[in-house]
Amino acid sequence: DAGVTQSPTHLIKTRGQQVTLRCSPKSGHDTVSWYQQALGQGPQFIFQYYEEEERQRGNFPDRFSGHQFPNYSSELNVNALLLGDSALYLCASSRPLAGQETQYFGPGTRLLVL
Amino acid sequence: QQQVKQSPQSLIVQKGGISIINCAYENTAFDYFPWYQQFPGKGPALLIAIRPDVSEKKEGRFTISFNKSAKQFSLHIMDSQPGDSATYFCAAVYRDNYGQNFVFGPGTRLSVLP
Repeated sequence: DAGVTQSPTHLIKTRGQQVTLRCSPKSGHDTVSWYQQALGQGPQFIFQYYEEEERQRGNFPDRFSGHQFPNYSSELNVNALLLGDSALYLCASSRPLAGQETQYFGPGTRLLVL
Repeated sequence: QQQVKQSPQSLIVQKGGISIINCAYENTAFDYFPWYQQFPGKGPALLIAIRPDVSEKKEGRFTISFNKSAKQFSLHIMDSQPGDSATYFCAAVYRDNYGQNFVFGPGTRLSVLP
């Protein structure tokens, strides 16, 4: 059983560019959450998707957007990249409505904005 | 009220010693408290979790102690090993009509000396 997978593993972009990160949830999970983890910090919640809709959103600007597909996989898009967007982006999946509320994390995508 | 405080920021323990990490929260709506372990370059991995209806949960060398009235919980790592050297995050979870919300502490960097 594959766990949560993310792609790419690393990415280098320049300021102003746009980036798309991808996540495949753990088998059987229907809820995907995205987090930003700056160096030396805890994960900060960006948003959560369930049934292809954004259900929860953290304190992140509209430059951060996402999508969930019918197969529960998800994308995180960041527009107009800033230097401060450099971080490890984590995807986590769960199945809270089935009582499986624990979130399982992927390995992350490390984004560097130059 | 959504913040989770965690201490210490870093911890150095001798092999075989006990590592203790403490967390505190304010929001009484939190009803699930997981701990995650993160190695450099990896995503956080679930270590152990507890619900507020129990005061202690033990899994192998890892124990969570929970004090509901004080709104505090802690992770104890018995017989600490060099392989336990990692960053540990506590989290608190609450649910609302839109889904689940994970709030992470800032993390504790544990170093276990051989």
